[in-house]
Amino acid sequence: DAGVIQSPRHEVTEMGQEVTLRCKPISGHDYLFWYRQTMMRGLELLIYFNNNVPIDDSGMPEDRFSAKMPNASFSTLKIQPSEPRDSAVYFCASPKDRTDTQYFGPGTRLTVL
Amino acid sequence: AQSVAQPEDQVNVAEGNPLTVKCTYSVSGNPYLFWYVQYPNRGLQFLLKYITGDNLVKGSYGFEAEFNKSQTSFHLKKPSALVSDSALYFCAVRGLTSGTYKYIFGTGTRLKVLA
Repeated sequence: DAGVIQSPRHEVTEMGQEVTLRCKPISGHDYLFWYRQTMMRGLELLIYFNNNVPIDDSGMPEDRFSAKMPNASFSTLKIQPSEPRDSAVYFCASPKDRTDTQYFGPGTRLTVL
Repeated sequence: AQSVAQPEDQVNVAEGNPLTVKCTYSVSGNPYLFWYVQYPNRGLQFLLKYITGDNLVKGSYGFEAEFNKSQTSFHLKKPSALVSDSALYFCAVRGLTSGTYKYIFGTGTRLKVLA
């Protein structure tokens, strides 16, 4: 079992550029979560999907952020345009079955200059 | 509103001593409660959870937690701390709000085990 895979692991970009973060959940897991972690705000839930359908996106900070899950094995989180305050570590997590234990990916460290 | 509180930013304990990392929660209905650990530059790793049943839950690496409904607490404990337990620990709760499941993480407690 490869676990949750995220790419890239590190991303450095300039303000105003589009950023796309990618996640491959564990095969067979029906849920997928996107989180953002910063020193100031801790770990924040951005959005989660169930069976590829967005269930709760109330944590998405603003319209510059969007997330998609076109199939059960792939999700993207896009920021357009990016701003320096978006700098954070972004995690993807997929719970196993109905136990709600979340399996986290290694994260993508985003730096917006 | 749903919330999780970890009142201590940092806990220091000597190696071999027992440790406790505190967590209190507020949620509608029956809570699902979790503890996760994060090592530097890594994602969060699951330690243990409470859904129902025995109030004392045992998890990975010798950790355990006790669900106390009357005090709305779910403190993480270990009888004998190891230096390798030094990490950031997160308490989390899942509850139902307006028909949607909400997952909330605490702010984290940094555990430092001193040799």
